[in-house]
Amino acid sequence: GENVEQHPSTLSVQEGDSAVIKCTYSDSASNYFPWYKQELGKRPQLIIDIRSNVGEKKDQRIAVTLNKTAKHFSLHITETQPEDSAVYFCAARTSYGQNFVFGPGTRLSVLP
Amino acid sequence: GAGVSQSPSNKVTEKGKDVELRCDPISGHTALYWYRQSLGQGLEFLIYFQGNSAPDKSGLPSDRFSAERTGGSVSTLTIQRTQQEDSAVYLCASSLQGGTNTGELFFGEGSRLTVL
Repeated sequence: GENVEQHPSTLSVQEGDSAVIKCTYSDSASNYFPWYKQELGKRPQLIIDIRSNVGEKKDQRIAVTLNKTAKHFSLHITETQPEDSAVYFCAARTSYGQNFVFGPGTRLSVLP
Repeated sequence: GAGVSQSPSNKVTEKGKDVELRCDPISGHTALYWYRQSLGQGLEFLIYFQGNSAPDKSGLPSDRFSAERTGGSVSTLTIQRTQQEDSAVYLCASSLQGGTNTGELFFGEGSRLTVL
């Protein structure tokens, strides 16, 4: 089955700096890669996603890149703000299983 | 309703008792998922329902765990003979899959289970 790894587990950056979170997956059949943000005590919410036929996607300050050959994808947050502080989860979904496998999460702290 | 609804929001039970957790997905969503999140941990897949297909139960940790989805809508996760290690937040999510839909997961607020 699919296995998703995520690094780093914790990340602290100064406000205004960039943050990068990386994930790798094992199943080459995975074709959809969403990123979820979970603020303390709240539910996870989708912030950006990418399909396997696209190499990069950007939405304002956040972007995701995908390298299918290497089976890894990354989340990039630029000009970080305190409200970006949260736990971020990457996930992968296979075309056949339709199930989502999540990475273990990255706790991002943006220091003022 | 507008979002995924879960109940109860909090449940404290004694070891050995059975518990039922309920999930009411977004109307029209064909897929429903249960995940478990222990304190400070990631999202552990439990079970997945898609339409009338047989559920994917591959994530259920033991035979004490079971889930049903009646009429393609509401789902109930049942934990029998609860153990302390079952303490966690149980998250339900639903999605609209098929066609050009991405299958984005919409999560409920979760049910926090504490087993004493």
